[in-house]
Amino acid sequence: GAVVSQHPSRVICKSGTSVKIECRSLDFQATTMFWYRQFPKQSLMLMATSNEGSKATYEQGVEKDKFLINHASLTLSTLTVTSAHPEDSSFYICSAEDEGYTFGSGTRLTVV
Amino acid sequence: GENVEQHPSTLSVQEGDSAVIKCTYSDSASNYFPWYKQELGKGPQLIIDIRSNVGEKKDQRIAVTLNKTAKHFSLHITETQPEDSAVYFCAATAGGSYIPTFGRGTSLIVHP
Repeated sequence: GAVVSQHPSRVICKSGTSVKIECRSLDFQATTMFWYRQFPKQSLMLMATSNEGSKATYEQGVEKDKFLINHASLTLSTLTVTSAHPEDSSFYICSAEDEGYTFGSGTRLTVV
Repeated sequence: GENVEQHPSTLSVQEGDSAVIKCTYSDSASNYFPWYKQELGKGPQLIIDIRSNVGEKKDQRIAVTLNKTAKHFSLHITETQPEDSAVYFCAATAGGSYIPTFGRGTSLIVHP
């Protein structure tokens, strides 16, 4: 089946720095990928839809200047958390659609 | 838009018992209903799905039923094992949209 690879699995960064998270579709091409944020013991919150070769579509309330998304190829989307603050600490998960809706393994971001 | 309600939020069972998780949806146009299992610190994994033209689907110990008239669908796990302990999410995808709407999740605890 479809495999979505996400890196890193966990990252700790200092306040004010930026962090990049990569999401790759390993055995299929994904013109569209999705980025979610998950708070502890809560459901998945869609942040944005990443479109290959064009601008991402952000959900209401998500700061596009804070969460930069780039989808430069059919197999790679990146999420950059800019000027990270402790409140950005969360579990970030990407997904892509092939025959089904497949998730990456997630990235635990901790901002100290 | 679509609204998915999921119950219960927590389910505790003894090993070998059955577990049932129920979801309701609001959009009668929804036609695809996946179920995901999320283990701690990992991304959600698709475990079973059902489309609106089918009333029931089974895969070994897991089964899903769909009642389109009542707009509800359920996950059934028989002969539960400790490794079934995880958070389970139901989702519904409306026709024309490939972005699923997720339930709030059910934390299943299987006691040895």
